[in-house]
Amino acid sequence: DTEVTQTPKHLVMGMTNKKSLKCEQHMGHRAMYWYKQKAKKPPELMFVYSYEKLSINESVPSRFSPECPNSSLLNLHLHALQPEDSALYLCASSRPSGAGSGELFFGEGSRLTVL
Amino acid sequence: AQSVTQLDSHVSVSEGTPVLLRCNYSSSYSPSLFWYVQHPNKGLQLLLKYTSAATLVKGINGFEAEFKKSETSFHLTKPSAHMSDAAEYFCVVSGTTSGTYKYIFGTGTRLKVLA
Repeated sequence: DTEVTQTPKHLVMGMTNKKSLKCEQHMGHRAMYWYKQKAKKPPELMFVYSYEKLSINESVPSRFSPECPNSSLLNLHLHALQPEDSALYLCASSRPSGAGSGELFFGEGSRLTVL
Repeated sequence: AQSVTQLDSHVSVSEGTPVLLRCNYSSSYSPSLFWYVQHPNKGLQLLLKYTSAATLVKGINGFEAEFKKSETSFHLTKPSAHMSDAAEYFCVVSGTTSGTYKYIFGTGTRLKVLA
């Protein structure tokens, strides 16, 4: 069983909608990540939060807005998306650097379809 | 800079025969290396990790990998393939950027297991 929980599992939205993806972990990890994965491709890093502060933004368009309200929660707010944004969105967590091997723990993902 | 190369995009094996998935890495210092498996429409699951301890690493589901510094390789093996092993496999190297772990993914190897 995954220890990173993502909701919803599936989301269909129009280009004018506003929606959010949610991620939760209770492993005490202080680094959390959003990845985007297109079919038959590896995950692409979008954002990294370390100790609830945004530490990496991989030049993601502003229609994606991350939020880390506390050490267990990570949100991705979606607004005015394009059909090419349809993908599997994966949340992951790890111990921050300097605290061990730092493997990533992934959620099951949220499958987003933009019409 | 770090990088990782998965040498085969597709591998087909017969059930009960050995599996070899190849991964080469480049790193300016001693790396942490990981193998992840992804079944269709699922998140990524950690199979095993190398973090500068034993060079032969045993993972879940009978998989193992050997870290060879002289060859900069971290190939994944399994003595006998099972139908349930059919999935996408990613080799990952990690390092720190601005005090945060960053993970470099290979392009993936799709394993097909024939009955």
